[in-house]
Amino acid sequence: DIQMTQSPSSLSASIGDRVTITCRASQSISRSLNWYQQKPGKAPTVLIYAASTLESGVPSRFSGSGSGTDFTLTITSLEPEDFATYYCQQSHSTLVYTFGQGTKLEIQ
Amino acid sequence: EVQLLESGGGLVQPGGSLRLSCAASGFTFRTYAMSWVRQAPGKGLEWVSGIGSSGATTYYADSVKGRFTISRDNSNNTLFLQMNSLRAEDTAVYYCAKVTSYYCDSWGQGTQVTVSS
Repeated sequence: DIQMTQSPSSLSASIGDRVTITCRASQSISRSLNWYQQKPGKAPTVLIYAASTLESGVPSRFSGSGSGTDFTLTITSLEPEDFATYYCQQSHSTLVYTFGQGTKLEIQ
Repeated sequence: EVQLLESGGGLVQPGGSLRLSCAASGFTFRTYAMSWVRQAPGKGLEWVSGIGSSGATTYYADSVKGRFTISRDNSNNTLFLQMNSLRAEDTAVYYCAKVTSYYCDSWGQGTQVTVSS
């Protein structure tokens, strides 16, 4: 099975900061990489799919890049509502869509 | 509007069984693959199982293979997860999710499963 490793596991930042979260796959997954945001007590919501495509309605301060095994999620100019946990997910294997362990973004 | 409503969770003893349901509306259910994802208390998301649009193909995480069975009723727009031989480590909130273009674009609110004696 494909394993996904996110870093860092937690991150402190301030309003207006730029932050980057990385995700590494245990084997090449082309661009089959998705990013989700989850707030406490809520279901996840998709931010980016296919490595860099922004889901409809997601603010443009979110962006994704990468291919193969290394991917990044970047948030420019953090807003208060961005403090949440972020997960990457590979969708290279048919309907075996494993997640990274998550990155908790906290207010500094 | 897409709606996914999970039900069937609860408290069960180790070794017991539960059947989760996910009632779907607001989209053509029979044309989409579906998945179950769980989240243990204070932990991250874990993909559990997926099923193709017709129900002919199913996939499982190693942690549940042989114990859980995913199925669907396209006539009644419902997704199921039959969970047998439950263990304490299966305790989690279970979410159903609609799969489109290789990502989960809609999620239910989740149903709590607690395995404890």
